[in-house]
Amino acid sequence: DTGVSQNPRHKITKRGQNVTFRCDPISEHNRLYWYRQTLGQGPEFLTYFQNEAQLEKSRLLSDRFSAERPKGSFSTLEIQRTEQGDSAMYLCASTLSLLGEQFFGPGTRLTVL
Amino acid sequence: GENVEQHPSTLSVQEGDSAVIKCTYSDSASNYFPWYKQELGKRPQLIIDIRSNVGEKKDQRIAVTLNKTAKHFSLHITETQPEDSAVYFCAASSASKIIFGSGTRLSIRP
Repeated sequence: DTGVSQNPRHKITKRGQNVTFRCDPISEHNRLYWYRQTLGQGPEFLTYFQNEAQLEKSRLLSDRFSAERPKGSFSTLEIQRTEQGDSAMYLCASTLSLLGEQFFGPGTRLTVL
Repeated sequence: GENVEQHPSTLSVQEGDSAVIKCTYSDSASNYFPWYKQELGKRPQLIIDIRSNVGEKKDQRIAVTLNKTAKHFSLHITETQPEDSAVYFCAASSASKIIFGSGTRLSIRP
């Protein structure tokens, strides 16, 4: 499968724990996005990378969230001191062009108990 | 802040009839407007998109119209089929940010 992949697919954690998710984009795509999606809502933009540079970060993103893309390939999203409100599906997407189709991964479903 | 409003939130149409979903956006810098379809438990997938220099685009049974002056755009699905049942999201993009609407759950009645 040469599409976008995400790991893990599911994560259950206790409140206060840290979690890290990984996204592997389509290999030639230099732009990578992270989104959060809750039931009945559209994907909510979190942050965006062009190669290894984080160019945009949502103002709604708390400082407990951090993302990296160290070599311009895969990316990680870390949530520190998780809260129950962090429970959601975390989606990653990649694209080749600035205004073009975003290819989504299958998502990581986070449940915070 | 920037936002995208999408209506209706749910839509039920008879098989064979047309479905229309409407979106409005606030950021006048938006210049790319994709529509995504998300089936239950699956990832969103692009079905059609339109750029700001075009007023209308059609792909078989699907068409999108854009009115930049009024800041609204619409998705039209004709001759609906059972496989069109899904949640549809509009989005408005400017520079590096893309804002999604809250989605429309479309159901096709047999």
